[in-house]
Amino acid sequence: AQSVSQHNHHVILSEAASLELGCNYSYGGTVNLFWYVQYPGQHLQLLLKYFSGDPLVKGIKGFEAEFIKSKFSFNLRKPSVQWSDTAEYFCAVNGAQGSNYQLIWGAGTKLIIKP
Amino acid sequence: NAGVTQTPKFQVLKTGQSMTLQCAQDMNHEYMSWYRQDPGMGLRLIHYSVGAGITDQGEVPNGYNVSRSTTEDFPLRLLSAAPSQTSVYFCASSIRTVSSGANVLTFGAGSRLTVL
Repeated sequence: AQSVSQHNHHVILSEAASLELGCNYSYGGTVNLFWYVQYPGQHLQLLLKYFSGDPLVKGIKGFEAEFIKSKFSFNLRKPSVQWSDTAEYFCAVNGAQGSNYQLIWGAGTKLIIKP
Repeated sequence: NAGVTQTPKFQVLKTGQSMTLQCAQDMNHEYMSWYRQDPGMGLRLIHYSVGAGITDQGEVPNGYNVSRSTTEDFPLRLLSAAPSQTSVYFCASSIRTVSSGANVLTFGAGSRLTVL
């Protein structure tokens, strides 16, 4: 069965530290990849997505992610985090199941930025 | 602002009670879905709809019913609430069916349900 693994359930960083959140998936076909973010008390919103083309994609608020097909990974990065980046981050993968696609979610990573 | 509206935001039920979580979108999205979010488990799809009159089961449909009589509305019904249904529920929609693979979901603010 397809699955999405986010390795860290909780990450605590200080402001200005660099961030990398891991996301690995198990699926061998064509995939579309997403990172969604949920700020405290808010709804989930799209951070960035990869469909095709340049495997390094840039999203909102200085976030970027790199799709490495050979490693089945789509890690999220930010060079210098801010207190306002405190949120829960979800990786999601949309892969074909026959004629349909199925969106599979990771368990989420709670990121806390210390001011 | 356009978007996905969920009501209520909070609800406490007793075991065996029934209730309906409401979801409405004003973006003319064809695809609508309901997820539940539980700690450490990410989002799990309960039911989804690819258009008015069409619904289908997701990963965890037991104990829930849905209907899609209009494009705008997609209510989720809990038939006989159980403590295992304590969760945060999210409604999400997109412009086309997720089966196209490349669609971004717009989420509602969530409904926190506690079943005692």
